[in-house]
Amino acid sequence: GQNIDQPTEMTATEGAIVQINCTYQTSGFNGLFWYQQHAGEAPTFLSYNVLDGLEEKGRFSSFLSRSKGYSYLLLKELQMKDSASYLCAPMDSNYQLIWGAGTKLIIKP
Amino acid sequence: GAVVSQHPSRVICKSGTSVKIECRSLDFQATTMFWYRQFPKQSLMLMATSNEGSKATYEQGVEKDKFLINHASLTLSTLTVTSAHPEDSSFYICSARVGTEAGELFFGEGSRLTVL
Repeated sequence: GQNIDQPTEMTATEGAIVQINCTYQTSGFNGLFWYQQHAGEAPTFLSYNVLDGLEEKGRFSSFLSRSKGYSYLLLKELQMKDSASYLCAPMDSNYQLIWGAGTKLIIKP
Repeated sequence: GAVVSQHPSRVICKSGTSVKIECRSLDFQATTMFWYRQFPKQSLMLMATSNEGSKATYEQGVEKDKFLINHASLTLSTLTVTSAHPEDSSFYICSARVGTEAGELFFGEGSRLTVL
């Protein structure tokens, strides 16, 4: 079956760095997306990885290892507004996104 | 990025009534739109894939007669929750993909439905 594993909740301090890990199992693979979702709002796109390696985009970076079925989202210089849920969503062979419950990130001053 | 607009953002209705939610792609044409439902602290659940000019493809367990989807144009898809019941109360979100099948999904703002 298809499966995503992310921590349910993480806490970090403003200004620090946090890494949110994601392991996945899918039927085929066409890349992996990370989305940010604030409470009560729809998800917004953060990153897309289809090749192994690290993609850096400002304060956010995303890493992918296809052979290990593993990705992480790295958030630097954390700000209070980064408090949100972060959704790891791999895309299967039918180009369907597989969604987990996400990781709720709590930022403390 | 591309803009997807969803309306209404919040709706409260009485049990047994029907509610229509609209999803519009504002600056691009979307041949395919997706409808999701999300309960509190749970993952997005794909309900159906809406295809312009043809019938929607529903996921297993989603009642097509209860959740009517119409995709009459390249910029508009609608979801109608018929004979709504309190258990239908949820956050409904539409999305559309720009470009290829592997393109990123752009989401509407979501519609919070409360059925009394």
